[in-house]
Amino acid sequence: GAVVSQHPSWVICKSGTSVKIECRSLDFQATTMFWYRQFPKQSLMLMATSNEGSKATYEQGVEKDKFLINHASLTLSTLTVTSAHPEDSSFYICSATSATGRESPLHFGNGTRLTVT
Amino acid sequence: AQSVTQLGSHVSVSEGALVLLRCNYSSSVPPYLFWYVQYPNQGLQLLLKYTSAATLVKGINGFEAEFKKSETSFHLTKPSAHMSDAAEYFCAVSDRPHNAGNMLTFGGGTRLMVKP
Repeated sequence: GAVVSQHPSWVICKSGTSVKIECRSLDFQATTMFWYRQFPKQSLMLMATSNEGSKATYEQGVEKDKFLINHASLTLSTLTVTSAHPEDSSFYICSATSATGRESPLHFGNGTRLTVT
Repeated sequence: AQSVTQLGSHVSVSEGALVLLRCNYSSSVPPYLFWYVQYPNQGLQLLLKYTSAATLVKGINGFEAEFKKSETSFHLTKPSAHMSDAAEYFCAVSDRPHNAGNMLTFGGGTRLMVKP
């Protein structure tokens, strides 16, 4: 079945540094990828939608200069948390889908736990 | 606008007992409904989905859910809980099927605990 690989699975960084999270579709071409944020014991909140080759669309309240999203190929999207602060500590999850048909399913990565000290 | 309410942030059952996780939705258009499971430090896995076909939907791991329009509900059930069912469960609603990651509205989640 379709697999989405997210890397790293966890990362600890110091305040003020930047962290890059990768989301790869391993056996399908992901024309669209989504990034979510999940705070402890809460649901997923959509951060942005990225389409291959174009700029990401950010949800209201999400700082696009802080959360840089690049979707340069059909198998890779990256989320860079710039100048991270402790309040950015969270669980980040990506999902991906192809556009091969109306019934294209959504596949989730295993998430990245970011801790900013 | 769409919304999802999951009644009970925590549900505890004994192994072998019935599992019932409640989900009520609000939607101005015919909804597509999903149940996802999340194991610790992992992403979401689709359990089942309702896409306007049969109202009783069977999913993986013995779970099923019934769409009841009159009650605006999509409760998740499993006849007999297993220890491995312990996880976080999310109900979600969309006005589109499948490839609508930016159109999914998630409920707050229900943590299922299974006692031996």
